[in-house]
Amino acid sequence: DAGVIQSPRHEVTEMGQEVTLRCKPISGHDYLFWYRQTMMRGLELLIYFNNNVPIDDSGMPEDRFSAKMPNASFSTLKIQPSEPRDSAVYFCAALGDRANYGYTFGSGTRLTVV
Amino acid sequence: GDSVTQMEGPVTLSEEACLTINCTYTATGYPSLFWYVQYPGEGLQLLLKATKADDKGSNKGFEATYRKETTSFHLEKGSVQVSDSAVYFCALRDFGNEKLTFGTGTRLTIIP
Repeated sequence: DAGVIQSPRHEVTEMGQEVTLRCKPISGHDYLFWYRQTMMRGLELLIYFNNNVPIDDSGMPEDRFSAKMPNASFSTLKIQPSEPRDSAVYFCAALGDRANYGYTFGSGTRLTVV
Repeated sequence: GDSVTQMEGPVTLSEEACLTINCTYTATGYPSLFWYVQYPGEGLQLLLKATKADDKGSNKGFEATYRKETTSFHLEKGSVQVSDSAVYFCALRDFGNEKLTFGTGTRLTIIP
């Protein structure tokens, strides 16, 4: 099992550009979470899905952020237009083994908006 | 709402020293408690967990005991190694809720 795979690992973009972050969760894990990590705010839950359906998007900071999960093996987080304050590390995490409550995190995408 | 308060860092210790990172929580229900570790450039990894009062989670020499009376879940290790240098996060998951609530993280540096 390759775990949760995120791409790209690093992204540098100019302010105003559209950014798309990608996540491939673990097969059979029916929950998927998107987190953002910054020094100032720590880890913030942005949105999560259950069986590809968005359950709670109350953490999405603004309308510039959107997330989709078109199927069980792929999710995207899009920022349009991007701003310098969006610079952060974005993590995707999967939860499948609910008995053990273990989240599996991807390695993250470090986004820098200049 | 749910919240987790953990010891502010950074924490710097010498190799073989004893470690305690404090964590207390507030929850509306009866939560499960976790410690996650984040090594440089990586995502978070589950280190240990406890799902009910007085449970002790343990892994890689680390331990934490679920104390309901003090609403605490302190992380301990008797003898730290340089390879333990990382950021440690305390977290809780309330019953019936799939979301994890994280503390702010504690950066630990072990010097040889």
